[in-house]
Amino acid sequence: QSALTQPASVSGSHGQSITISCTGTSSDLGTYNYVSWYQQHPGKAPKLMVYDVSHRASGVSNRFSGSKSGNTASLTISGLQAEDEADYYCSSFTISSTRVFGGGTKLTVL
Amino acid sequence: EVQLVESGGGLVKPGGSLRLSCAASGFTFNTYTMNWVRQAPGKGLEWVSSISSTSSDIYYADSVKGRFTISRDNAKNSLYLQMDSLSADDTAVYYCARDHYGDYSLDSWGQGTLVTVSS
Repeated sequence: QSALTQPASVSGSHGQSITISCTGTSSDLGTYNYVSWYQQHPGKAPKLMVYDVSHRASGVSNRFSGSKSGNTASLTISGLQAEDEADYYCSSFTISSTRVFGGGTKLTVL
Repeated sequence: EVQLVESGGGLVKPGGSLRLSCAASGFTFNTYTMNWVRQAPGKGLEWVSSISSTSSDIYYADSVKGRFTISRDNAKNSLYLQMDSLSADDTAVYYCARDHYGDYSLDSWGQGTLVTVSS
């Protein structure tokens, strides 16, 4: 149950776009499209942003989009806004019927 | 409105035990798979365990298997996590989270309860 691999940090200017990658294996996101993304602000509980690779959760801005190719999933945030600054985590279902998270990516909006 | 409220966290000595609870409201609890997820101070999220709506399917992370036991009482709309043989590595905020139907994502989370394992 090794964690999915995410970059520790990414940054982008207000209004620009950024992409966060999430790399797994054939034991998790390489086999399943059960990939989800979560946003977490400091001191708060995580919030579901994207599920099933590319479906936005209820109430989530269309500036957030997800995709997957092979063993790597990606979250793209377009038109960066100050409130997007947060930690982002990917997650996948696994062949053992467990779940695994990525290590998290800190997004800084410049 | 979906609400998940965890309780039972606190300070416990290494080797000790603790039982966490999660009170659910605002949805039909007995139709959802539920989960525990933890986050050590300054660290990332770690999935801990899941239990299906009827308790027929239960899964654990390797890091807690054999020490933690997940359970639920659908009559009380409650989820539990019995934690035994605790070590400093178990120090974390523990979140209760609801499965989104059919896709293994977690669409509702509680505010978390802090468990500190220290002598």
